[in-house]
Amino acid sequence: SQTIHQWPATLVQPVGSPLSLECTVEGTSNPNLYWYRQAAGRGLQLLFYSVGIGQISSEVPQNLSASRPQDRQFILSSKKLLLSDSGFYLCAWSSGERHTGELFFGEGSRLTVL
Amino acid sequence: GQNIDQPTEMTATEGAIVQINCTYQTSGFNGLFWYQQHAGEAPTFLSYNVLDGLEEKGRFSSFLSRSKGYSYLLLKELQMKDSASYLCAVMAGNYQLIWGAGTKLIIKP
Repeated sequence: SQTIHQWPATLVQPVGSPLSLECTVEGTSNPNLYWYRQAAGRGLQLLFYSVGIGQISSEVPQNLSASRPQDRQFILSSKKLLLSDSGFYLCAWSSGERHTGELFFGEGSRLTVL
Repeated sequence: GQNIDQPTEMTATEGAIVQINCTYQTSGFNGLFWYQQHAGEAPTFLSYNVLDGLEEKGRFSSFLSRSKGYSYLLLKELQMKDSASYLCAVMAGNYQLIWGAGTKLIIKP
């Protein structure tokens, strides 16, 4: 069966510090991978998605970046965090074989920037 | 622009029925999805509608009217564990998911 895992679960970082959130998927190959951010009382905001190794599409211009060094690994990074980067970050995957809105989410990473 | 509207919060009684509505305006349509999200946790997939009509899955049913840009999620025989946020999402013409802000459902005994 397929599993998705992201870490760390909770992170408290000072403004201006770097960030790295990691996500891995097991049990499937060539998945579509996504990074979302969820602010309180707001819908999920798509940050990045990837249809293959090294293929990253950015949906929102900001100080975040994403990389996909391996087929089932997706990393969200920042060189300098802003206060507005605080939120609940979710990694997700979907089948790469067809367009589907059925996403499978990781456990989430709660980031607080102070 | 693309927009998903759903109520912010609803309250219902254990054992009762509740209907959560969702209206949408998107550029193209490739399906509507409902997700459940418990507080502090990740969303989990509940249902998918691409054709008009009702899809039933146990205590949960989802309805779609494409001509009206309207869907609802119906929860029957409510249980305390159904207390969660329910997210409506539409796959637009470019196969991107557009998400609503979610409806927080509070179940009272």
